Amino acid sequence: EVQLVESGGGLVQPGGSLRLSCAASGFTFSDHYMDWVRQAPGKGLEWVGRTRNKANSHTTEYAASVKGRFTISRDDSKNSLLLQMNSLETEDTAVYYCGRGRYGDPRDIDFWGQGTLVTVSS
Amino acid sequence: DIQLTQSPSFLSASVGDRVTITCRASQGISSYLAWYQQKPGKAPKLLIYAASTLQSGVPSRFSGSRSGTEFTLTISSLQPEDFATYYCQQLNSYPMTFGQGTRLEIK
Repeated sequence: EVQLVESGGGLVQPGGSLRLSCAASGFTFSDHYMDWVRQAPGKGLEWVGRTRNKANSHTTEYAASVKGRFTISRDDSKNSLLLQMNSLETEDTAVYYCGRGRYGDPRDIDFWGQGTLVTVSS
Repeated sequence: DIQLTQSPSFLSASVGDRVTITCRASQGISSYLAWYQQKPGKAPKLLIYAASTLQSGVPSRFSGSRSGTEFTLTISSLQPEDFATYYCQQLNSYPMTFGQGTRLEIK
C-alpha cells in the first residue's frame, strides 16, 4: 500500500526556517518524481515544487513564489522527501502536502500525503 | 506562466444531476491536464489524468474531455459522496499551475 506521511510542520516566526519531511512507503521511491503542494487556509491548491527521479538526476523545479527560499531534496536510500524552507513569510502559512508523480508522462500526482500545517506568525 | 480558469467557481446541484465543470488554459497544454477532488480537511484525490483517462478505482460516472484549450470534467449522475471541491492542474510546463477550484454543493 502506497503511503506518504508528512512531518515537521509547526509555528515559526517570520524570517525563520523550517524543514518538512515526507516518509514514503509501498512503492519504489527512486523511480518517481515527487512534488510539494500547499494550501493556505480557505484557499486553493498551489504547486510549490518538484524533484525528478534518480534517472533524471534528481533535478528540481520551483514556483516563483518560493524560488531561492525553499529547497527540495530527497534521500532515496531512506525513501524520504524533504522541503527546507528559509526566510519564511506570513504568506507561506499553509498545509503542505507531498505527492507522488505518477510513473510515466504526464506526471500528475497520483498519491498524496495527509499534509502538515505550517503557520508563520509572530 | 500558464493560467487555468475554472468555471463555475461554485455549483449547486442535486443527487442524480449531470454536472460539468470547465477548465480553460491560457495557452496550449496538449492533453497534459489532471482533475482532482478534495473534501474538507482531506488531501486531494486524482480523478482524471491526461485530460480523459480515468484513474484506477475512480467510478465511471466521472469523465474528462478536451477541446483545444478547454477541458471538461463531467459527473454523469451525482452521488452524495461527490459533493466536494474540484481542481484542474496543467502538467505541460513549469510552474505546474492549478485552477482556482470549483466548489460543488448540495442543492
